[in-house]
Amino acid sequence: EPEVTQTPSHQVTQMGQEVILRCVPISNHLYFYWYRQILGQKVEFLVSFYNNEISEKSEIFDDQFSVERPDGSNFTLKIRSTKLEDSAMYFCASTGGISNTEAFFGQGTRLTVV
Amino acid sequence: RKEVEQDPGPFNVPEGATVAFNCTYSNSASQSFFWYRQDCRKEPKLLMSVYSSGNEDGRFTAQLNRASQYISLLIRDSKLSDSATYLCVVPFMAGNKLTFGGGTRVLVKP
Repeated sequence: EPEVTQTPSHQVTQMGQEVILRCVPISNHLYFYWYRQILGQKVEFLVSFYNNEISEKSEIFDDQFSVERPDGSNFTLKIRSTKLEDSAMYFCASTGGISNTEAFFGQGTRLTVV
Repeated sequence: RKEVEQDPGPFNVPEGATVAFNCTYSNSASQSFFWYRQDCRKEPKLLMSVYSSGNEDGRFTAQLNRASQYISLLIRDSKLSDSATYLCVVPFMAGNKLTFGGGTRVLVKP
């Protein structure tokens, strides 16, 4: 069964450092997303990506964040100058398209900023 | 009204009993709805899709009430393994962001 894969599963970084979270969406999917979930809180939308550009972003997704799809398979989330409050689970998801909106999630990357 | 709202629970359910809970949504233009299950510190996993009035899959039944803008999830003959957080997810439109409710926690006890 096709699946979304994320690496690494756990990343520990020092405050102020940059991190890149990687995702490989399902190969024939067209829409890609990043979500985050702070421990004990709800899943929050960060950004959606379609046709090699951001289609929508939340107020959380400020200049500290960026996404790209550098090689047609990987979908990355870069967080610059990490803060303690960036510690969370980051989930990548993808959907097939207009007629197939069921989203499949990767297993997540647990980011811990110390 | 919040975009997607759920009773956080927890719903404490005896094994074998039936439990039901709702999710209200604010956007009347939404056409599709999803229930996801999330286990502790794991990714959300799709449980059921709801495109019309409802859907049934084994012990799970989802119903949509467009007039009142809510969807419900009913679990019959609850199993211990049904203990999880159930997330209501509503896409505003295809390809756009999926908005999550805060989740309803269900605890099935022997």
